[in-house]
Amino acid sequence: QKEVEQNSGPLSVPEGAIASLNCTYSDRGSQSFFWYRQYSGKSPELIMSIYSNGDKEDGRFTAQLNKASQYVSLLIRDSQPSDSATYLCAASDGAQKLVFGQGTRLTINP
Amino acid sequence: DAGITQSPRHKVTETGTPVTLRCHQTENHRYMYWYRQDPGHGLRLIHYSYGVKDTDKGEVSDGYSVSRSKTEDFLLTLESATSSQTSVYFCAISEPGGGTEAFFGQGTRLTVV
Repeated sequence: QKEVEQNSGPLSVPEGAIASLNCTYSDRGSQSFFWYRQYSGKSPELIMSIYSNGDKEDGRFTAQLNKASQYVSLLIRDSQPSDSATYLCAASDGAQKLVFGQGTRLTINP
Repeated sequence: DAGITQSPRHKVTETGTPVTLRCHQTENHRYMYWYRQDPGHGLRLIHYSYGVKDTDKGEVSDGYSVSRSKTEDFLLTLESATSSQTSVYFCAISEPGGGTEAFFGQGTRLTVV
């Protein structure tokens, strides 16, 4: 059973601080990794994708991948109240199917 | 929502009745997926399709069937709804070569009473 694990939270971060979200995966064949943001009652929205080891930055978001440790993370700099949401980590084995973690609920406190 | 429309958006049905959910896309993406989302379980894949009339099972396919007769439409059928199928159902699409980036519809909230 291919698994993706996340701490369900809730994770509480003060406004302006860095929020750090973590994810581990069990399938060493996983090739692509994604972070989705989901507001309450809404559908998941893709915010970051990463395919190779290292960091990938997009605005206030940085995704980090370490395939040797089977670890993916998402950093959100200068956290804003609008960043309060559930963040879903997902991994793909290259067969066009995604396996999702349970999601981490993030709250940014003004 | 990337040209994906799910219908209905909300439905209440009785145990034992058949239910069909529809996903319609305007992106001409080859792959389409049905997921369900439940508290504590995240998103779980029910069935997916990799082309017209080409479908395969996901991790929670029991009690569900699918059909795809046109590129743009993917139907999910609960043959005889049970209370355990009360959930939020999401359709998603992706295109090969895109690194499996999947884009989601608005979701359908199904309640089986």
